Amino acid sequence: DGGITQSPKYLFRKEGQNVTLSCEQNLNHDAMYWYRQDPGQGLRLIYYSQIVNDFQKGDIAEGYSVSREKKESFPLTVTSAQKNPTAFYLCASSIQGVYYGYTFGSGTRLTVV
Amino acid sequence: DQQVKQNSPSLSVQEGRISILNCDYTNSMFDYFLWYKKYPAEGPTFLISISSIKDKNEDGRFTVFLNKSAKHLSLHIVPSQPGDSAVYFCAAFNDYKLSFGAGTTVTVRA
Repeated sequence: DGGITQSPKYLFRKEGQNVTLSCEQNLNHDAMYWYRQDPGQGLRLIYYSQIVNDFQKGDIAEGYSVSREKKESFPLTVTSAQKNPTAFYLCASSIQGVYYGYTFGSGTRLTVV
Repeated sequence: DQQVKQNSPSLSVQEGRISILNCDYTNSMFDYFLWYKKYPAEGPTFLISISSIKDKNEDGRFTVFLNKSAKHLSLHIVPSQPGDSAVYFCAAFNDYKLSFGAGTTVTVRA
């Protein structure tokens, strides 16, 4: 079964530490996205990538970094520069340039203490 | 600046009645509008979409209406069922990406 996998489901880190969230898809999608969900603010776009070795900043990229070395993988690093990193993070993938067929992972809940 | 807005954070409706969810947007360049449903600790799942050149799209119990002049769309769920209790997100597509609203939590009462 094709799908998108985010791991781990829950992650705890101490303040000041960088942490990397994993996102892997086997849907053969070119495009991948990272969103952040906070109460009352919906899903906000952090970074997106339309093709391997290329990515663009979304609306709230500060304090985050990504890489896209393989089509299947789009890891997100939450750096110590991110002021409020505690949130629910969602990864998605889609066929490049189309509005339909977005597939979301089940998310990672990051708590920074 | 949020380009897609859902101003009602919550909606409570009796089972069997109609649920109406509203969404406003500011960017006239959006090509498509979508509604997603989300349960806690899960990713959103697609419900229904509408092209910017249409004013209505229907799929079973779900109908989306688009008023382009008012930059407003709505989702009607008829009849509402207990399994419809979830968070509903309005989303809009342009420039290769989706922008989401803040979500509306729907509770269907028995």
